[in-house]
Amino acid sequence: ETGVTQTPRHLVMGMTNKKSLKCEQHLGHNAMYWYKQSAKKPLELMFVYSLEERVENNSVPSRFSPECPNSSHLFLHLHTLQPEDSALYLCASSLGLAGGYEQYFGPGTRLTVT
Amino acid sequence: GQQLNQSPQSMFIQEGEDVSMNCTSSSIFNTWLWYKQEPGEGPVLLIALYKAGELTSNGRLTAQFGITRKDSFLNISASIPSDVGIYFCAGPLYNTDKLIFGTGTRLQVFP
Repeated sequence: ETGVTQTPRHLVMGMTNKKSLKCEQHLGHNAMYWYKQSAKKPLELMFVYSLEERVENNSVPSRFSPECPNSSHLFLHLHTLQPEDSALYLCASSLGLAGGYEQYFGPGTRLTVT
Repeated sequence: GQQLNQSPQSMFIQEGEDVSMNCTSSSIFNTWLWYKQEPGEGPVLLIALYKAGELTSNGRLTAQFGITRKDSFLNISASIPSDVGIYFCAGPLYNTDKLIFGTGTRLQVFP
């Protein structure tokens, strides 16, 4: 049990659908992250939130829209995705700059875009 | 920019054997993290290293922070089938709370 949960674990969506991924951390952390992991590629950082403020957006297409309503919850809203967006989407949390670099990951959402 | 290279890319070993893998960079890191990822799951933090030369163990796993601060090593002793997975090293981008991840070492253990 890592203390970071993600739902759903699996998602299949068409290119015209709108869906959301949810992440919740129970560790009292201040920073939350979205990563994309495609086959045979390193982890790609998408977004960073620190104290509910977005501090990083790594040139992610606008069809991905993050939301951080409080320090425990992080969402990734998806719309008009492309087949190449199929990947494992991972959420992580950490104490942030003040508390250390260790990030704790959720189990991921396996997304398939048809 | 900062990059982390891991070797070997993959390993196929027999149960009971010891395993060694490493992570190198052209830049200095102040922290090294080692993660394991099993199929269909997120990475799990195994060991964190904070000082050059530091040697830290977690059960059968031992990791070392290289004295040059440009490398780190992970050893697994007496491997078992549940050690199967991809092992990633990671280090923080200078003065940020972002991590750079290595390319991973895929470990297969045969009974």
